[in-house]
Amino acid sequence: AQTVTQSQPEMSVQEAETVTLSCTYDTSENNYYLFWYKQPPSRQMILVIRQEAYKQQNATENRFSVNFQKAAKSFSLKISDSQLGDTAMYFCAFMKHVLKRDDKIIFGKGTRLHILP
Amino acid sequence: EPEVTQTPSHQVTQMGQEVILRCVPISNHLYFYWYRQILGQKVEFLVSFYNNEISEKSEIFDDQFSVERPDGSNFTLKIRSTKLEDSAMYFCASSQQGAGNTIYFGEGSWLTVV
Repeated sequence: AQTVTQSQPEMSVQEAETVTLSCTYDTSENNYYLFWYKQPPSRQMILVIRQEAYKQQNATENRFSVNFQKAAKSFSLKISDSQLGDTAMYFCAFMKHVLKRDDKIIFGKGTRLHILP
Repeated sequence: EPEVTQTPSHQVTQMGQEVILRCVPISNHLYFYWYRQILGQKVEFLVSFYNNEISEKSEIFDDQFSVERPDGSNFTLKIRSTKLEDSAMYFCASSQQGAGNTIYFGEGSWLTVV
């Protein structure tokens, strides 16, 4: 069974700083997808970034980037130039690749990130 | 941008009552899901639905739960006889096609069982 571990329950950083959220996962699958979801106080789940395991290049989305280390089963999220609106719970998530359909998403327990003014 | 919409946003119900949570997935999406998040805990998979049938369900999704796509646009989750431990945020999600396509979540329906 797949598991996702986020070892940092809570973090705080000053506005404009860079912050890295850690995530490790365990799987015997070779082909899968990894995600970071953001859940602000409104509680909506918002996709931040997505990585396909077969791609060696790390995904980036504006101020958000990942460090994907497949051999180490590590998938950290870096937020550059952090903004007050980045304050949220961040979930790392895993989905194995299944042909022609989506498998279920396995979520980590989350990291609560506070951006301080 | 198209979005998944859920109703109600919040419902309070008495223990033992039936509850139906409604979702309107994004219109050209084919895969539908329900997840739940008990307060302070992680998001958990309940069920996936494709081609008018359940693709997969978790051990949480017991006989008290059912899903339906009654009219080609709505996707509903029914809890037949609610228990206190069913209190949670329920998220509907959808995706256009399989194989890792982006899954979009709704804003959630917060269910409180008293």
